[in-house]
Parts: sequence; C-alpha cells; structure tokens
Amino acid sequence: EIVLTQSPATLSLAPGERATLSCRASQSVGYYLAWYQQKPGQAPRLLISDASNRAAGIPARFSGSGSGTDFTLTISSLEPEDFAVYFCQQRANWPRALTFGGGTKVEIK
Amino acid sequence: EAQLVESGGALVQPGRSLRLSCVGTAFRFADSAMHWVRQPPGKGLEWVSGIDWKSEYMGYVDSVEGRFTISRDNAKRTLYLQMNSLRVEDTALYYCARDEDGFDIWGQGTMVTVSS
Repeated sequence: EIVLTQSPATLSLAPGERATLSCRASQSVGYYLAWYQQKPGQAPRLLISDASNRAAGIPARFSGSGSGTDFTLTISSLEPEDFAVYFCQQRANWPRALTFGGGTKVEIK
Repeated sequence: EAQLVESGGALVQPGRSLRLSCVGTAFRFADSAMHWVRQPPGKGLEWVSGIDWKSEYMGYVDSVEGRFTISRDNAKRTLYLQMNSLRVEDTALYYCARDEDGFDIWGQGTMVTVSS
C-alpha cells in the first residue's frame, strides 16, 4: 500500500498570505495525485487532479505541482473561504488500493 | 446538475450486515468508475472500494477485503456496497464518488454506526 504523508498537520495563516501544503508518497505515484478541500459538514471537493490540473470552477489561486513522490498544493493568497482541511489522494495502482493522506488543516491565525 | 445520493446507513450490531446504495443523476453513470470513501467521526478520509464502469475491475482496502462487496447496476444508475461481518471500526460516514481522473462528484454521505 502506498502511504501518503501530509505536512504540516496544521497551518496557521492570515487571509492574503500564501499557503504551501506538502504531500509525500512512500513510493512513486507518477502524476496520479489529486487534492481535495473539505469544510465542516460538507463532502470533499476536488481541487486538483493529475498533480497540476485544476478541476472545473476552481479559482486560479489554487495550484498543484510535483511528480513521483513529492507534491505541493499552493494557495497563492488565502481568501476567508479557503480555511478548511486539505487531503491528497493517489490513484497510481488502481484498481489496487487508492489512498488518502492524513490531511492538513489550514486555520486562521 | 450532476448528483449522487446515498442511502442505507443505519445503527447495527457487530457481526451484522448492511447494504448501501448510491444513485447518480444528470451524468453518464454507465461510463464512470465509482468509489466508496468513508470518514469516521472527526477523522480523515479512507478509500474503501472502487469499481470500473463495466464491473470488470473492483478494488478494496485491505481492512474490508472479504467482508465488503461493491457492485453496480448501470440500468438503475445505482452503486452498491454490501457490508458483511461489520465491526465497530467500520463506523463512519460513507460517501460515494464519481471518478473522472479525480473524485469530482460526491454524495452527501450516509452514516453507518456499528455498536452493541
């Protein structure tokens, strides 16, 4: 099973600041990595697929990069609605197990 | 608007069975791989199982292999998860999701509580 490790667990930032979230895989997943945002009481929302492709309707301030084992989600300038939990997910071995990272909470400083 | 609606969650005793359903509307359900993802209260996401569009490939997380079975009926636009031998640690909110190179459509979830 491919393990995804997200860091930091919590990121405390102010609106307008830049957020950089990391996701590291225990073995290469190529470009098969996605990022999701989840707010309390809501289902997750797809932000980025295939490491760097923004999903439909996702603002340009969200960007993804990386390949292999190291990936980054960047929010260029935090808006109030961006404070949430973010998860990465790999699908490199589908139909074998897909996995999610443990999540990074972006909170208001 | 494309939508997924789950149902079937309940409070059950350990060792019992439950079947979850997920109906998809306003998108080409028969062309889409589908998945179940669960989230225990206050915790992160865990992929549970997935199935390709023609039911040729199915996958499971190790902890449910042999106990859970995923299936689909494309004519009914419905995804299923048969859960047998339920354990306390299966307690979670269960989501279904469409897979289009990423889980782009999610349901609102159905709660499964396993407790004596």
